[in-house]
Amino acid sequence: DAKTTQPNSMESNEEEPVHLPCNHSTISGTDYIHWYRQLPSQGPEYVIHGLTSNVNNRMASLAIAEDRKSSTLILHRATLRDAAVYYCILRALNYGGSQGNLIFGKGTKLSVKP
Amino acid sequence: SAVISQKPSRDICQRGTSLTIQCQVDSQVTMMFWYRQQPGQSLTLIATANQGSEATYESGFVIDKFPISRPNLTFSTLTVSNMSPEDSSIYLCSVRTGIGKDTQYFGPGTRLTVL
Repeated sequence: DAKTTQPNSMESNEEEPVHLPCNHSTISGTDYIHWYRQLPSQGPEYVIHGLTSNVNNRMASLAIAEDRKSSTLILHRATLRDAAVYYCILRALNYGGSQGNLIFGKGTKLSVKP
Repeated sequence: SAVISQKPSRDICQRGTSLTIQCQVDSQVTMMFWYRQQPGQSLTLIATANQGSEATYESGFVIDKFPISRPNLTFSTLTVSNMSPEDSSIYLCSVRTGIGKDTQYFGPGTRLTVL
């Protein structure tokens, strides 16, 4: 599986934007960039994913570099509830085989200060 | 979407015993997975639970230690056999709802402590 590199931890102030970086220099053409987060004492939850174009949803935005070797998850206004570990994962578009399995790295622990 | 429940939510077990964890989904799903999260660590994929056939295990995990059943499209079990303190972890069930579906859903986890 292609690897991703994320900072171990980041801090943010409440109600300010947060930019969480992810490097994936060995990404292949068929790898999608997925972001999941894990709130304390919960299972991970899906945040967003994309292939080449920037993506927006109600939770966050995903900005993907033109060469696709890096991406940034953007939380537009951090709240205390956004404190979590954020995982950037490369996943092949897959129709049943193991290449599409989600393989987690260490992620970035985001702390949000009031 | 899919809502996943796991039983038990937590347990404390003695060394050498076995524990079976149940995963129930509120709708039929194509793929079910089991993950382990050791204290302070990230998630590690144990296996893919296949309906009607043997599970597909990741490197480092074997059927004798982690037997898995999946009798239908909404239910799976993971057994942790002959437990040792190193098996103390959170075990999470996860599902994908359809072929080509990109979102994966996770259960709340089962926190296992082995004494």
